Amino acid sequence: EAGVAQSPRYKIIEKRQSVAFWCNPISGHATLYWYQQILGQGPKLLIQFQNNGVVDDSQLPKDRFSAERLKGVDSTLKIQPAKLEDSAVYLCASTQGQVSNEQFFGPGTRLTVL
Amino acid sequence: AQSVTQLGSHVSVSEGALVLLRCNYSSSVPPYLFWYVQYPNQGLQLLLKYTSAATLVKGINGFEAEFKKSETSFHLTKPSAHMSDAAEYFCAVSRSGYSTLTFGKGTMLLVSP
Repeated sequence: EAGVAQSPRYKIIEKRQSVAFWCNPISGHATLYWYQQILGQGPKLLIQFQNNGVVDDSQLPKDRFSAERLKGVDSTLKIQPAKLEDSAVYLCASTQGQVSNEQFFGPGTRLTVL
Repeated sequence: AQSVTQLGSHVSVSEGALVLLRCNYSSSVPPYLFWYVQYPNQGLQLLLKYTSAATLVKGINGFEAEFKKSETSFHLTKPSAHMSDAAEYFCAVSRSGYSTLTFGKGTMLLVSP
C-alpha cells in the first residue's frame, strides 16, 4: 500500500513570495490534515478536511494561508505572501475516517523563507 | 482543551540501557494517547496507542507505555536501547471519537555506543 505522498520535499523562497505544497493521501482515506512543525516543536494542526469539506481550520492563518481539497483526494496548501516565521516542515497526514485514531504521515515539505 | 507535556527535550542513554521518555497529559474527557517516532527528514510513524482498553500498551520495535490515570501519565519505555532508536519521539492526545491530535514538543533520544 502506497503511503502519503508530498511534494516538493524542500523549498527555499524569499519573504513575500508565494509557495504551494501538494499532498496525495493514502487511497480511500477520507480525512486529510495539514500540520506545521517548527524546529524544536511538535506538529501543530493547520487544517482538517473530511472528503472535500473543511472540518477544522481554527489555527490556519487565513490572511496568508489557504488550502483546498477540491475532489476529496489530493490537497494543496498555499502561503501568500510568506514571512520568515513560516519556515517550518509542513506535514500532511490522512486517516480512513473522521473517528479513526491512527494518522499516517507523509515525509513533509521543508520550507525555508529567507 | 487538551495538552501534552513531555519532560526533557533531550534524553541520552547508552546502548543496552533502559529508555524512559516521559509524557503527562491534560484532558477534561477520557483521552486517547499516542507515541510517534520521527527519524531525520521523515514523517511521523506511530509507535503505539492507548484507546481505553488495556492500560499497558505494547508497540513496535520493543517499546511499550503504561496509561496511569491517577498520575495523568503515559510514559514510553524500552528495556534495552539500540543505536537505531535514536530519533525524536512525540506524545500526542486526542478525544475519544475524534482524530484530531495535540502533540507535545518532542524528546530527542540520543543513544551512545
